[in-house]
Amino acid sequence: QSALTQPASVSGSPGQSITISCNGTSSDVGIYNLVSWYQQYPGTFPRLIIYAVTRRPSGVSMRFSGSRSGNTASLTISGLQAEDEADYYCCSKAGGDTLVFGGGTRVTVL
Amino acid sequence: QVQLQESGPGLVKPSQTLSLTCSVSGGSLSSGDYWWSWIRQHPGKGLEWIGYMHYSGNTHYNPSLKSRVEISLDTPKNQFSLKLTSVTAADTAVYFCAREKGGAYFLDHWGQGTLVTVSS
Repeated sequence: QSALTQPASVSGSPGQSITISCNGTSSDVGIYNLVSWYQQYPGTFPRLIIYAVTRRPSGVSMRFSGSRSGNTASLTISGLQAEDEADYYCCSKAGGDTLVFGGGTRVTVL
Repeated sequence: QVQLQESGPGLVKPSQTLSLTCSVSGGSLSSGDYWWSWIRQHPGKGLEWIGYMHYSGNTHYNPSLKSRVEISLDTPKNQFSLKLTSVTAADTAVYFCAREKGGAYFLDHWGQGTLVTVSS
């Protein structure tokens, strides 16, 4: 069970759109529509922002959207705002009813 | 609103057993809809899933930790626990408890996290 692969950092200017990729395999991301994304500010707990690849929990901004193509899932943040500066983690169901996380991506708002 | 809160020693000696408890309020461990989970985060690093347990008694663990991990539920107290044996400095991390939506594999409620340092 290897961690999913995310870019270490992504940056953008306010108002821009950015996309964070999450590369898995045909044993996790590629086979299950069960990818979730979490936002984490320093020193706090992660917050669920996307589940089941594309669905947003109540209260999460519509600026966050998810997608998947093959073994790669993606999180797009539209209309980037200063408050979006945080760490983002993808997570997928993996074999044996386990979960696997990505290494995390630091988003910087320029 | 479901709330989770971790508790336990912040310092554990090498080779000993790390023991943490997660107290749940606003929801019941006896609900069959959820799995009760532990996740950890090494200092300055990413999240690592440890494992989870269902009210039915079923458990699933991270293969890399499986030989040292045990998760248990105490339904009368509405708490669940983590035991990690034979700890080393590499087990120093912030440990989070969380609720996983059964069958949907996402973690919708998290505790604040507790730092456990392994040191003599």
